[in-house]
Amino acid sequence: AQSVAQPEDQVNVAEGNPLTVKCTYSVSGNPYLFWYVQYPNRGLQFLLKYITGDNLVKGSYGFEAEFNKSQTSFHLKKPSALVSDSALYFCAVRDSASKIIFGSGTRLSIRP
Amino acid sequence: NAGVMQNPRHLVRRRGQEARLRCSPMKGHSHVYWYRQLPEEGLKFMVYLQKENIIDESGMPKERFSAEFPKEGPSILRIQQVVRGDSAAYFCASSQQGWSNQPQHFGDGTRLSIL
Repeated sequence: AQSVAQPEDQVNVAEGNPLTVKCTYSVSGNPYLFWYVQYPNRGLQFLLKYITGDNLVKGSYGFEAEFNKSQTSFHLKKPSALVSDSALYFCAVRDSASKIIFGSGTRLSIRP
Repeated sequence: NAGVMQNPRHLVRRRGQEARLRCSPMKGHSHVYWYRQLPEEGLKFMVYLQKENIIDESGMPKERFSAEFPKEGPSILRIQQVVRGDSAAYFCASSQQGWSNQPQHFGDGTRLSIL
C-alpha cells in the first residue's frame, strides 16, 4: 500500500535562511509526487510535482523539490525563506493505479 | 472566478440535522473529489466522482454520508443526522482527468460546525 510521511509537524526558519520540509514515501511502482501549500481558511494550492525526468523540480514561489529514489524522499526546499511562506505544507503521492494520499502536513513558520 | 467553488463556506448544524455541501468544479473538469480535514491534520480522501458516477467511495463512512455529481449542477456531499464528530473542513477538488499525474485544483472548503 502506498503511504507518505512528513516527519516534522513544524519547521521554524529565520527569514532569508534556506528552508527544507521533509517528505518520504512508499509506493509499489513509479511514484507521482506533489507538494501543496495551504494558507489559513483556504484550500490547497499546487506548488510542484515530480512525474519523471530531472530529480530537481522547480515550482511556484521559488520552491523546488528533490526526488531521491534511493532514499524514497521528496523534500521541499527554498534557498531564502520569506515571512509570507509561513503556511501549512502537504506532500502527496500516488502510484500509477490509485488515489492520491496526502501527508499529515508540516507547519512552516518564518520569523522576521 | 474560474476556480473550484464551494458553498457555503461555513455551515452550522445541530446534532441530528442534515448538512448539504456543494461543489462546482473548474470549467472543463469532469472529475470531482471530496476530502475531509480535521484541525491540524491532513486531508483524508472520501469519494471520487465523475459525472453521474461514483468511481471510488472507499473513504466514505458507511452510514449517513452520501455524494452525487449529477449531469447538471454541482456535486453534493450530504451528511444525514450529523454528530459532533462530523465537525471538520470539507474540501472539494477537481481535475480534467481522473487519477493521473495532473494536480487537483481545490476549493476553499466548507467548514462544518455541529452544535
